[in-house]
Amino acid sequence: EDQVTQSPEALRLQEGESSSLNCSYTVSGLRGLFWYRQDPGKGPEFLFTLYSAGEEKEKERLKATLTKKESFLHITAPKPEDSATYLCAVPTSGGGADGLTFGKGTHLIIQP
Amino acid sequence: DSGVTQTPKHLITATGQRVTLRCSPRSGDLSVYWYQQSLDQGLQFLIQYYNGEERAKGNILERFSAQQFPDLHSELNLSSLELGDSALYFCASSVGGWGTEAFFGQGTRLTVV
Repeated sequence: EDQVTQSPEALRLQEGESSSLNCSYTVSGLRGLFWYRQDPGKGPEFLFTLYSAGEEKEKERLKATLTKKESFLHITAPKPEDSATYLCAVPTSGGGADGLTFGKGTHLIIQP
Repeated sequence: DSGVTQTPKHLITATGQRVTLRCSPRSGDLSVYWYQQSLDQGLQFLIQYYNGEERAKGNILERFSAQQFPDLHSELNLSSLELGDSALYFCASSVGGWGTEAFFGQGTRLTVV
């Protein structure tokens, strides 16, 4: 069964304090790993797709990296507007399903 | 704005009732996905349609059904509603399958009382 586990569940940082969020996955035949940002009461907003171990992608203060078993979302010098829940997901493998299996997310709070 | 439109934004209904949620995908996107998000379960994949045809099913209850019309908009029908069906329902669309970027709508918040 495909599994996606995110840690920590919640993280509170001071503005400017860099950190990393973790996403561990167990799938047979990775077809990509996706990162989304979700604000309260809103739909997830696409951030990155990573396809192979060693791949990195950056967007403003965010950088996503991928290994064979996990992905990291590094946040450098975060600002309060980076506060959100960050979700990672992998395409469901097998069984005819073609959706995404999401982790439960990391709730990130950046304090000014 | 993702370009995916969902209506209504909020819906309050009684147990046992039936409701229809509507989704208009981004222009050019052929795939539509429906997701349910509750506090304890997180985001759960329900069903996917591609160019009018059902392509994949996830954890969708038999009381729920969906369809995609020739103009590519989609509807999710929820019947015999129970208190536990209260959740946010999201629609997402993409050009193809999940190898391409998927964009989510703002969701419909369903409250069953």
